[in-house]
Amino acid sequence: DTGVSQDPRHKITKRGQNVTFRCDPISEHNRLYWYRQTLGQGPEFLTYFQNEAQLEKSRLLSDRFSAERPKGSFSTLEIQRTEQGDSAMYLCASSLGAGIYNEQFFGPGTRLTVL
Amino acid sequence: GESVGLHLPTLSVQEGDNSIINCAYSNSASDYFIWYKQESGKGPQFIIDIRSNMDKRQGQRVTVLLNKTVKHLSLQIAATQPGDSAVYFCAENEISNFGNEKLTFGTGTRLTIIP
Repeated sequence: DTGVSQDPRHKITKRGQNVTFRCDPISEHNRLYWYRQTLGQGPEFLTYFQNEAQLEKSRLLSDRFSAERPKGSFSTLEIQRTEQGDSAMYLCASSLGAGIYNEQFFGPGTRLTVL
Repeated sequence: GESVGLHLPTLSVQEGDNSIINCAYSNSASDYFIWYKQESGKGPQFIIDIRSNMDKRQGQRVTVLLNKTVKHLSLQIAATQPGDSAVYFCAENEISNFGNEKLTFGTGTRLTIIP
């Protein structure tokens, strides 16, 4: 257990529905990252936050994807109008301090299945 | 993802033997590299990192080698144990068009330790 938690661990939804995932980082970590991982692939960066500021979101897969971190603590990732291609593992990671050289601690992920 | 991604490179090693996992990276401007281990049902776990001003770094039972000339990274695990069975990913940093840094992960190698 890295100290990063994600909820839910599994989500099954029907195509067209909206889903929201939550990530609770390690409490003092100011950076929070979201990744998507499909079967057999490495994690794919989506977006990240420095405290409550979203610093990079150009890699969000479409405008159906959005993320928030309103108080600089937990974060949510929402997917609107889900499609079957959205089925994947969604991973959250957090790190202490600015910069890529600080170790990212990953949560267990939320596995999304879109029927 | 593409179907080719479902067929991870695999490596089977007898318990107690040494293993070497290789990774080719793409961006000659990357200056930071990390190896992650991912066990089934868990998020990636940091193993060891290396900056581009080094060509070798050692940890406990693990060594990372960096060859910038051919853009190649390797992870050596000594005296493998059953708990080393996992998928191993290399990752490199990448600076986006917006000046923000992110990690880019490779496809991964599945290591199986044979008792």
